[in-house]
Amino acid sequence: DGGITQSPKYLFRKEGQNVTLSCEQNLNHDAMYWYRQDPGQGLRLIYYSQIVNDFQKGDIAEGYSVSREKKESFPLTVTSAQKNPTAFYLCAIKETDYGYTFGSGTRLTVV
Amino acid sequence: GNSVTQMEGPVTLSEEAFLTINCTYTATGYPSLFWYVQYPGEGLQLLLKATKADDKGSNKGFEATYRKETTSFHLEKGSVQVSDSAVYFCALSSTSGGYNKLIFGAGTRLAVHP
Repeated sequence: DGGITQSPKYLFRKEGQNVTLSCEQNLNHDAMYWYRQDPGQGLRLIYYSQIVNDFQKGDIAEGYSVSREKKESFPLTVTSAQKNPTAFYLCAIKETDYGYTFGSGTRLTVV
Repeated sequence: GNSVTQMEGPVTLSEEAFLTINCTYTATGYPSLFWYVQYPGEGLQLLLKATKADDKGSNKGFEATYRKETTSFHLEKGSVQVSDSAVYFCALSSTSGGYNKLIFGAGTRLAVHP
């Protein structure tokens, strides 16, 4: 079953804790993206990666970190420096010159 | 910089009504334009796209035409159904420094009642 997989679907974080969100794809595409979604604000770009071992900051990278050690995987770490991490996080891959495919998302809540 | 502006929601319609969701953009060059749909608790699904001026994207009864002169990409459907209730996002594809990314509008929530 091909596609893009995000896990977990729901994640709870305590204050001051780092958490890592998983994004895996088996479609052999190079470009991968992390977006954050807040109610009424659309999606904002956190980080993106064009190829293995390369990634770029998006519009709201502060308090987040990523790695791209394998083509299939682009994990996002929400660090304790992120002041307001409660949000819906979406991973995406760029499949063609014009097409992006999104995962089903991870909802992170600070408790 | 590049940006997308959508009409604010929520938009509330009765079944079989005509739908328009306005979208305008600001961009350098000629971006590709997209409409994505998000059902509750899910990720985004591509609804339709257009890659150059005067192109019309269409899917599942939805249509949008790339209007360069008015920098618009309005979404329309002639007869909505309850199952169309969702959040709709307009987006453009922007390339800078060799990197390509999607820039989104704020989203418009559509509620269709029987």
